Amino acid sequence: DIQMTQSPSSLSASVGDRVTITCRASQSISSYLNWYQQKPGKAPKLLIYAASSLQSGVPSRFSGSGSGTDFTLTISSLQPEDFATYYCQQSYSTPTRFGQGTKLEIK
Amino acid sequence: QITLKESGPTLVKPTQTLTLTCTFSGFSLSTSGVGVGWIRQPPGKALEWLALIYWDDDKRYSPSLKSRLTITKDTSKNQVVLTMTNMDPVDTATYYCAHAFAAGPEYFQHWGQGTLVTVSS
Repeated sequence: DIQMTQSPSSLSASVGDRVTITCRASQSISSYLNWYQQKPGKAPKLLIYAASSLQSGVPSRFSGSGSGTDFTLTISSLQPEDFATYYCQQSYSTPTRFGQGTKLEIK
Repeated sequence: QITLKESGPTLVKPTQTLTLTCTFSGFSLSTSGVGVGWIRQPPGKALEWLALIYWDDDKRYSPSLKSRLTITKDTSKNQVVLTMTNMDPVDTATYYCAHAFAAGPEYFQHWGQGTLVTVSS
């Protein structure tokens, strides 16, 4: 199985900050990496697929990069509605697996 | 517009079998490149993938739960059913079904609202 490790596990930031979340795969997954946002009591929402493709309707302040084993999700200028938990997911092989999550909190 | 909704019991007893139904609209599970998956999330914990069924009836399961899971589809009813046997309190979680885009890179594009299942005697 491919393991996914996110860092940091939690992060405090302010509105307007640039934030980067990292996801590392235990082996190469090419660009088969997706990012989701989850707010409390809500279902996850797809933000980025295939490492860097922005899902329709997602603000352009979200971007993804990386390939192989190392990936990043960047929020260029944090907005109040961005405070949430973020998960990466590898879809390179079965079983697909999610990272442990990064909780983004208001500083 | 794609929507999905999970239904099933909110409380099950240990050792019982859980049956969850995902009823969806806005897409067909007979369309090439489409799948429906189940993902769960214990309270305060991370997402865990359980199973996925594709338009061609190919089925994939989490290896750690494979012996307990069965996923099926009823294309005419736009439903996917997940059964999980021998339920245990550690299976207490919110269970989500999700539409999977599976034509190339695979991802869960649309999610149901989730249903909380508690396992307790």
